[in-house]
Amino acid sequence: EVQLVQSGGGLVQPGGSLRLSCAASGFTFTNYWMSWVRQAPGKGLEHVANVNLDGSEEYYVDSVKGRFTISRDNAKNSLYLQMNSLRVEDTAVYYCARGGARFHYWGQGTLVTVSS
Amino acid sequence: EIVLTQSPATLSLSPGERATLSCRASQSVGSYLGWYQQKPGQAPRLLIYDTSNRASDIPARFSGSGSGTDFTLTISSLEPEDFAVFYCQQRYNWPYSFGQGTKLEIK
Repeated sequence: EVQLVQSGGGLVQPGGSLRLSCAASGFTFTNYWMSWVRQAPGKGLEHVANVNLDGSEEYYVDSVKGRFTISRDNAKNSLYLQMNSLRVEDTAVYYCARGGARFHYWGQGTLVTVSS
Repeated sequence: EIVLTQSPATLSLSPGERATLSCRASQSVGSYLGWYQQKPGQAPRLLIYDTSNRASDIPARFSGSGSGTDFTLTISSLEPEDFAVFYCQQRYNWPYSFGQGTKLEIK
């Protein structure tokens, strides 16, 4: 069974940092691009970043470029999102998802709240 | 960036009725358009990928059509569990954008 189990998240002040993790199991992690998708409260979905099979290519939506870093550890079957210089508008539920562009499997989501 | 516009914003129908949801792209996305269903408090679920391909375990009452800039998700006969928010998404150009969603509610 494919599972994506997320951890991290919580409350952080504007300008602060946070790291999200996503532990994958039930499939060959190294065969798939991976992504982070977020959803602000009561709003739609936004594809934030994706990373290729070996972590050598990363793509970001303009609103997070230079502040967020997506990475993966294939030895640990894990995906990460390092979020720096957080802004109030980054408040959202963050989902990890299997795939670079099409998402058959999703994590359970983790809430990130940026507030003073 | 490709903008996806979904219509209507809200659709009120009864179980057993046919639902037709639309998604229009600001430029051609070829056939690289998918549909997701999201229920409150849950992660989205992939229904349709690349215009008309049903994802695994998706019932046959869900179908997709279209090409270029105009796409449609059809639910042939609504079941009670189908009521949710639906999003279209393009994977033609980065960033892979989503539409703003159509809420399908029980009439």
